[in-house]
Amino acid sequence: RKEVEQDPGPFNVPEGATVAFNCTYSNSASQSFFWYRQDCRKEPKLLMSVYSSGNEDGRFTAQLNRASQYISLLIRDSKLSDSATYLCVVNMRTTSGTYKYIFGTGTRLKVLA
Amino acid sequence: GAVVSQHPSWVICKSGTSVKIECRSLDFQATTMFWYRQFPKQSLMLMATSNEGSKATYEQGVEKDKFLINHASLTLSTLTVTSAHPEDSSFYICSARLADGSAQYFGPGTRLLVL
Repeated sequence: RKEVEQDPGPFNVPEGATVAFNCTYSNSASQSFFWYRQDCRKEPKLLMSVYSSGNEDGRFTAQLNRASQYISLLIRDSKLSDSATYLCVVNMRTTSGTYKYIFGTGTRLKVLA
Repeated sequence: GAVVSQHPSWVICKSGTSVKIECRSLDFQATTMFWYRQFPKQSLMLMATSNEGSKATYEQGVEKDKFLINHASLTLSTLTVTSAHPEDSSFYICSARLADGSAQYFGPGTRLLVL
């Protein structure tokens, strides 16, 4: 089983739609969680951190369920510019006591005019 | 967010050549930097963790003698791909972690094409 799993998509949605992405992780000792956005042939950029209480940034809402080891990202009122790959990232503690990011394979979103 | 630069952004080289990639944190000090590789349509794979003033920690399956990492200062880490071969062609991305561990910021990446 992969350490971080995402549905690769693509999710094709019309402008204005609401779309949700899910992510599961296997290591219960994971420390922190993030959603990154990656455009084609570019580096990942931090979209938002994910907190247990849930957090919102404009049209984006992230949720974390530690009991189910599940993370979600909700995008409301999709824009064409939201088309990208969304990476679920888990900061895991290693056996040596250090932390490292583990990336999901990403979920591709295409917002259609 | 914090700014991380990478140089060069593109490299095309002949097989057997060594290629050096620089990663700099421009507006913060990074005791830890990370080097990733990403093949087309795949996720980022961590190659190694670069620690300032000490040896890098390599992930399983990554040859430390082939991918040399140096982190001589708090703002600069370098990755040297020695004797590059076509199978090393990939997108190499570095990142730097903020001191409080709150997030990592990525450089713009280096596309390496080995002919």
